[in-house]
Amino acid sequence: DTEVTQTPKHLVMGMTNKKSLKCEQHMGHRAMYWYKQKAKKPPELMFVYSYEKLSINESVPSRFSPECPNSSLLNLHLHALQPEDSALYLCASSQERGAYNEQFFGPGTRLTVL
Amino acid sequence: LAKTTQPISMDSYEGQEVNITCSHNNIATNDYITWYQQFPSQGPRFIIQGYKTKVTNEVASLFIPADRKSSTLSLPRVSLSDTAVYYCLVGVEYGGSQGNLIFGKGTKLSVKP
Repeated sequence: DTEVTQTPKHLVMGMTNKKSLKCEQHMGHRAMYWYKQKAKKPPELMFVYSYEKLSINESVPSRFSPECPNSSLLNLHLHALQPEDSALYLCASSQERGAYNEQFFGPGTRLTVL
Repeated sequence: LAKTTQPISMDSYEGQEVNITCSHNNIATNDYITWYQQFPSQGPRFIIQGYKTKVTNEVASLFIPADRKSSTLSLPRVSLSDTAVYYCLVGVEYGGSQGNLIFGKGTKLSVKP
């Protein structure tokens, strides 16, 4: 199984809502990532987990809260988002943390904040 | 982290070979060069990775000159389905330092019939 799954595929939320994005992989990878991608822009790294510990937070606003319950799951909790947070949110995993490890990406969650 | 520069867009026709060059003048000794492909509304997909000289797999070749300040992704005999954005990335992880993948602007390849 070389697949990274993400749910939901689409999400529409108001600025006062609380929602969560979910990501799952069963490849035994020990590094997992969250990226944000705006239209016609490259993906931007948000968070990196290595061995279930937050390794890197690329100065992301606190309205985004990541969680890694176990080595296969990654969540992104959303609260009090702004319309400019609307984007495609991509999850990825790799065998280990590091640029020389192939990252496997999920299909993404298309988020719209009203 | 080494910054990369690629052409913003390229056009080609089916059956042609396409070469996309990436400049990374500040590449560090331990940096690897990696290329990803992304179709609209999908996550990026790993294509190929190399450190020096030439690497070839079933979908592409990667040419890296001795000074490693640039690299060229070669796609043989492209088809319409190769229309996508291609990202060149340079980065490494060692000894606990950052060295994460940072996506540049990418090259939008359009293949025409």
